[in-house]
Amino acid sequence: SQKIEQNSEALNIQEGKTATLTCNYTNYSPAYLQWYRQDPGRGPVFLLLIRENEKEKRKERLKVTFDTTLKQSLFHITASQPADSATYLCALLWMDSSYKLIFGSGTRLLVRP
Amino acid sequence: SQTIHQWPATLVQPVGSPLSLECTVEGTSNPNLYWYRQAAGRGLQLLFYSVGIGQISSEVPQNLSASRPQDRQFILSSKKLLLSDSGFYLCAWSGEEGYGYTFGSGTRLTVV
Repeated sequence: SQKIEQNSEALNIQEGKTATLTCNYTNYSPAYLQWYRQDPGRGPVFLLLIRENEKEKRKERLKVTFDTTLKQSLFHITASQPADSATYLCALLWMDSSYKLIFGSGTRLLVRP
Repeated sequence: SQTIHQWPATLVQPVGSPLSLECTVEGTSNPNLYWYRQAAGRGLQLLFYSVGIGQISSEVPQNLSASRPQDRQFILSSKKLLLSDSGFYLCAWSGEEGYGYTFGSGTRLTVV
């Protein structure tokens, strides 16, 4: 079965620095890879989507890369702010799975002022 | 614009009692609907999904069930709750292929 791995340890960085979060998966590559933000007690909020034939996607201070050879996606937040502190979830969708999105366990990001 | 409503926000139920959580979507038609559960400090576990009225697929065998009586209504139920059913339940919908999911605000269920 497919496995998704995200660093379970919190990432603690200084305001203004770039945060980089990692998502690794096993077996064959998904059709889409998505990143979500989740605040405590709230539902996840969709941030970015990248397709298997895309290498990089940007949205404001966010950047996602997708390396199907390494079976890895990197999620970057540049010029990080304390308001970026949250848990970030990686989610993968395989075309043979009837559009079911499978989530990683998430990585908590803490941005110190 | 599309919105998703989920209620109640919190629920405390005794072991063995029934459960009914409701989710409705507005502003779209024929959405794909999903129920996820999140244990404390854990990722989201897909429980059920539906691509149309009356069409339910179960991902995890358990004492929960789901129903979709109307196009934009998705209900999660149980006849008898277990302690292990405690968690944060999230409803979500998706539209066209390639778009992100939109989640509801969740229901915090505590079985005592």
